[in-house]
Amino acid sequence: KQEVTQIPAALSVPEGENLVLNCSFTDSAIYNLQWFRQDPGKGLTSLLLIQSSQREQTSGRLNASLDKSSGRSTLYIAASQPGDSATYLCAVGGGLTGGGNKLTFGTGTQLKVEL
Amino acid sequence: GAVVSQHPSRVICKSGTSVKIECRSLDFQATTMFWYRQFPKKSLMLMATSNEGSKATYEQGVEKDKFLINHASLTLSTLTVTSAHPEDSSFYICSARAGFGNTEAFFGQGTRLTVV
Repeated sequence: KQEVTQIPAALSVPEGENLVLNCSFTDSAIYNLQWFRQDPGKGLTSLLLIQSSQREQTSGRLNASLDKSSGRSTLYIAASQPGDSATYLCAVGGGLTGGGNKLTFGTGTQLKVEL
Repeated sequence: GAVVSQHPSRVICKSGTSVKIECRSLDFQATTMFWYRQFPKKSLMLMATSNEGSKATYEQGVEKDKFLINHASLTLSTLTVTSAHPEDSSFYICSARAGFGNTEAFFGQGTRLTVV
């Protein structure tokens, strides 16, 4: 069974700092990995999708990397802003034990960016 | 990104009644939709996967007679919580894909269900 872990569980940083969120997964035979943002009481907003053949994806101040063989992904946020405060979730799609069409979610990192 | 609309965003119902939650893909055809449940400060738990025109596939431990899922068209899936009880109170989120596992998944805004 695919298991996804995110470290740290919570993070508080001052505005302007660059930061890295980590995601690890146990079954490396995945189709893709997606990073999401969730604001309190809201649904999920897709941030970045990395296919299994790709090593990284970038969108604005966000950069996500994928090392499938080691079962790791990182989300890099540059020049953090208070508006970045949210819970960040990574999810892996597919895998031999994850079920081809399903997403398996990590436990999330709750980020707070302070003024 | 594509838009998935979920309705209602909040609902309060009496114990023993049924509640229907709708999930619509607004600008794409969703071959597969997913329903998740999220407990406070926890991650998303997949309840079931539904493909248009066929029966939903439920995850282990999810009661299919309690959580009825219908995926009648390529743009609409519904989750009905039947004979709701206070322990069914939770945040329910739907997701949709246009294709198979290597396509991006888009999520609705979620529905906060409170059973009193």
